Amino acid sequence: EIVLTQSPGTLSLSPGERATLSCRASQSVSSSYLAWYQQKPGQAPRLLIYGASSRATGIPDRFSGSGSGTDFTLTISRLEPEDFAVYYCQQYGSSLPFGQGTKVEIK
Amino acid sequence: QVQLQESGPGLVKPSETLSLTCTVSGDSISSYYWSWIRQPPGKGLEWIGYIYYSGSTCYNPSLKSRVTMSVDTSKKQFFLKLSSLTAADTAVYYCARTQMRYYYMDVWGKGTTVTVSS
Repeated sequence: EIVLTQSPGTLSLSPGERATLSCRASQSVSSSYLAWYQQKPGQAPRLLIYGASSRATGIPDRFSGSGSGTDFTLTISRLEPEDFAVYYCQQYGSSLPFGQGTKVEIK
Repeated sequence: QVQLQESGPGLVKPSETLSLTCTVSGDSISSYYWSWIRQPPGKGLEWIGYIYYSGSTCYNPSLKSRVTMSVDTSKKQFFLKLSSLTAADTAVYYCARTQMRYYYMDVWGKGTTVTVSS
């Protein structure tokens, strides 16, 4: 079973800064099956990226995804106040595991 | 616009079985997988499993022995049963539409909080 490890656990940044979040898989996976989600307190997760690099409907272009094999990255080019949240990656394998999440907090 | 709504008891006793319903509106139930995901307080997301309108299922191996999913296409509802509950099953339970080709979850319900306590 694939295990996804996200790093860092917490990212402390200021609005306007660039955020780089990592998701590493325990074995090589198809980039077609890598998704990223954003979750704010008290809300359901929201799909940001699917297929490793395709933005979901309505997602601003400051969000971008990249990667292949075992290493995937979510980049937020310039943080807006509403981007401070927890981010999860998710992969398809024999199941649909999530990473443990990265919290992006205001510095 | 597709919407999902979870429903079920907010409080269940240890050792009992949890039953949840997810009602789909604004979309066909036959073109997607339908997942259940949970989130314990202060923790991350855990995928429980998904079901197809035909009734075929895929479960998280760590929960498989306790999970049963079913679907009622006429009512556009799908269901989760989780047996032998313990306090560790206390969580917010979400249902989500899951794309068949690439297995990402693009529409989520608001979630329902389930507490396991005597």
